[in-house]
Amino acid sequence: GQQLNQSPQSMFIQEGEDVSMNCTSSSIFNTWLWYKQDPGEGPVLLIALYKAGELTSNGRLTAQFGITRKDSFLNISASIPSDVGIYFCAGQLVGTYKYIFGTGTRLKVLA
Amino acid sequence: DGGITQSPKYLFRKEGQNVTLSCEQNLNHDAMYWYRQDPGQGLRLIYYSQIVNDFQKGDIAEGYSVSREKKESFPLTVTSAQKNPTAFYLCAVGHRALSGANVLTFGAGSRLTVL
Repeated sequence: GQQLNQSPQSMFIQEGEDVSMNCTSSSIFNTWLWYKQDPGEGPVLLIALYKAGELTSNGRLTAQFGITRKDSFLNISASIPSDVGIYFCAGQLVGTYKYIFGTGTRLKVLA
Repeated sequence: DGGITQSPKYLFRKEGQNVTLSCEQNLNHDAMYWYRQDPGQGLRLIYYSQIVNDFQKGDIAEGYSVSREKKESFPLTVTSAQKNPTAFYLCAVGHRALSGANVLTFGAGSRLTVL
């Protein structure tokens, strides 16, 4: 099936640093979603994008929908310890109700 | 969360047994989804339903079955034919957000362990 390539797989950063992660695919999407998941819980939506080239912020989070509709990035500024978790990207395939997920970026913040 | 209830949270089953995971929503949305998550991996689509009495297979439907008799409910049965059923199962509701984007809202998940 279709795949989303998400990178990096994991990262350790110091508190206060900025973080960047991205997702790419060979498929075209009409929506990109970014989620955060804590252990043993369901993913929580952070940002939703549905226009090519769209740049959206949610507090310290910023995400962009690539102009080709095949990629997206998420930036976290001035990271804090509670940013620890797994971040997933997801794309809704054009013309379908199917959402494909990336493999996740595991973030650890060192105080 | 936010009107999506998955139960049970933890479930143990013996090999060869069928088990049904419940997903109930009071958000009045039509679309519902089941995903499977294995350690260190992303979410893989099992089944989805856009409307009552209709559902479609996802990428890994073998060994699973669903029903959609009511708008509020989308139960998932893990059958004995599923070779590796131990996993974290997530139910989601699809809807249009205020921004206009189509989004998924997830329940808290059910962890199934086969002994």
